[in-house]
Amino acid sequence: TQLLEQSPQFLSIQEGENLTVYCNSSSVFSSLQWYRQEPGEGPVLLVTVVTGGEVKKLKRLTFQFGDARKDSSLHITAAQPGDTGLYLCAGAPRNYGQNFVFGPGTRLSVLP
Amino acid sequence: EAQVTQNPRYLITVTGKKLTVTCSQNMNHEYMSWYRQDPGLGLRQIYYSMNVEVTDKGDVPEGYKVSRKEKRNFPLILESPSPNQTSLYFCASSPNTGGAYEQYFGPGTRLTVT
Repeated sequence: TQLLEQSPQFLSIQEGENLTVYCNSSSVFSSLQWYRQEPGEGPVLLVTVVTGGEVKKLKRLTFQFGDARKDSSLHITAAQPGDTGLYLCAGAPRNYGQNFVFGPGTRLSVLP
Repeated sequence: EAQVTQNPRYLITVTGKKLTVTCSQNMNHEYMSWYRQDPGLGLRQIYYSMNVEVTDKGDVPEGYKVSRKEKRNFPLILESPSPNQTSLYFCASSPNTGGAYEQYFGPGTRLTVT
């Protein structure tokens, strides 16, 4: 059983479309992070959300942390082919020591 | 340039032959960690270290050892590799600001055990 679930697992869209990916857990997290990973490379940190209800924007990407700090979403506006990659949410659940867990990821493909 | 380096990047070995994958960071980070990434299973934490001489098990520590004798280095040791340890391995480090553990990853080591 994964501590972090992500949906959808795969997403293929046309350039210019909007999309939202979700990260959910039954556990409470002090903070959640989003990473993007490209084939053959290590994940790269996009953002950290810390406060319940927090919204952070990074150009065309909007990240939200749920009020209960158990879930998060990533919304991309006007997707571009350069957004293609594996999007991972991650964090250290409370009452889990300093162990760090990752969700299984959403593989996004943006077609030109 | 701030970075996490891993060596080797690719390794093919045989069952039972001890190997070490090195990891080094130049950002003076306290927290370091090792992960393996497998299709369908995602990234799973093997071991982590909060500081020098402080290490602890992650979710999948069996068959692995680590050491943290210096702040910048965190080698991963496979004493007797087996085929089920064939995987893509990542080292990461974190400044651990406010407990957020924002992590910076190395380029990965692809290990094949035959």
